[in-house]
Amino acid sequence: DIVMTQTPLSSPVTLGQPASISCRSSQGLVHGDGNTYLNWLQQRPGQPPRLLIYKISNRFSGVPDRFSGSGTGTDFTLKISRVEAEDVGVYYCMQSTQIPWSFGQGTKVEIK
Amino acid sequence: EVQLVESGGGLVQPGGSLRLSCAASGFTFSRYWMFWVRQAPGKGLVWVSHINNDGSSTTYADSVKGRFTISRDNAENTLHLQMNSLRAEDTAVYYCVRDWFGESLWGRGTLVTVSS
Repeated sequence: DIVMTQTPLSSPVTLGQPASISCRSSQGLVHGDGNTYLNWLQQRPGQPPRLLIYKISNRFSGVPDRFSGSGTGTDFTLKISRVEAEDVGVYYCMQSTQIPWSFGQGTKVEIK
Repeated sequence: EVQLVESGGGLVQPGGSLRLSCAASGFTFSRYWMFWVRQAPGKGLVWVSHINNDGSSTTYADSVKGRFTISRDNAENTLHLQMNSLRAEDTAVYYCVRDWFGESLWGRGTLVTVSS
């Protein structure tokens, strides 16, 4: 099974400042169809997870453009260009290239 | 509106059974692979099971294999998870998830508590 490792696990950020979360997979995530199914989820306090980014860098419908994803191979990054109060929560990377799906441990983003 | 609504959670004693359901609406349910993902209190996300679009293929996490059964009724737009021989470590919020080539849609979840 593929293991996903996120860093940092906690990220205190000043409002308006950028934040960055890294995710590393234990093996490459390129699917047989040529796509890389590395996705990012946001879970606000008391809410279910919701999709932010799919296939490394595609923003899901309704996701603000301050969120961006990048990466290749086994190393991926989620960036928030300017953190807003509503961005507080836990962020998970996940791979859906292979079943079983696997998730990172989660990174808690909080305001300083 | 596209949505997934889980139901069937609750308090059950160790060794007991529960059947979770997920009602899908606003999209063609029979096109999509469906998944169950769970989250223990204060913990991260863990994949539980998947079923393909016509129900002919299923997979399970080792931790639930032989105890849980995933199924779907495409005529009723409903996904199910039959959970038997429940253990304390099965306590979690169970999310129903639709996936389309990485674009996932998550339900709000249903809480299962296994305790005596």
